[in-house]
Amino acid sequence: DGGITQSPKYLFRKEGQNVTLSCEQNLNHDAMYWYRQDPGQGLRLIYYSQIVNDFQKGDIAEGYSVSREKKESFPLTVTSAQKNPTAFYLCASSIGAVQGYLSGYTFGSGTRLTVV
Amino acid sequence: AQSVTQLDSHVSVSEGTPVLLRCNYSSSYSPSLFWYVQYPNQGLQLLLKYLSGSTLVKGINGFEAEFNKSQTSFHLRKPSVHISDTAEYFCAVINTNAGKSTFGDGTTLTVKP
Repeated sequence: DGGITQSPKYLFRKEGQNVTLSCEQNLNHDAMYWYRQDPGQGLRLIYYSQIVNDFQKGDIAEGYSVSREKKESFPLTVTSAQKNPTAFYLCASSIGAVQGYLSGYTFGSGTRLTVV
Repeated sequence: AQSVTQLDSHVSVSEGTPVLLRCNYSSSYSPSLFWYVQYPNQGLQLLLKYLSGSTLVKGINGFEAEFNKSQTSFHLRKPSVHISDTAEYFCAVINTNAGKSTFGDGTTLTVKP
């Protein structure tokens, strides 16, 4: 079955470390997104990519980096510059292009990152 | 700029009763609106969407929503809820030019036995 796989499900980071969250999709979707979810704050957009080898900053990109070298993959790195990284991170995808966006998003099951 | 406001952060109802989850939107042009559901420690799942046409849209699990342009609202409702409907619900609007969605802060629905 097609879908989005996020790994790991739980991740613990020490102060000052960079960590990378994986997001892989086999839906043949062009667009991919990373959201951060904190209690009571809904979903906030970190980065998004509408096509391979291109991506744009979202509303809270500081302290994060991404790459989009393959259509299926959109990894997110949480750098040491992100001062409050403890959160639930969600990856999503959509078909892309104007009509494709209207089909809505498919989400992964999330990665819970905790700073220890 | 587009935005959505979910008017209730928490809603608690008894099983078998109706529920209304409220969402207001702001958009400079005809909006495309979505409702998603999130069960604990999971990703979001699309419930329903309004793109154009009939203002009443039906989704999965017996949910429906009504688009009201004059009141800039897109409220979600279900005539009779079940305990399994306990979850968090998100309203979203999409900017098709930029290819990205803006989500509300979510409404936590608790269904009591």
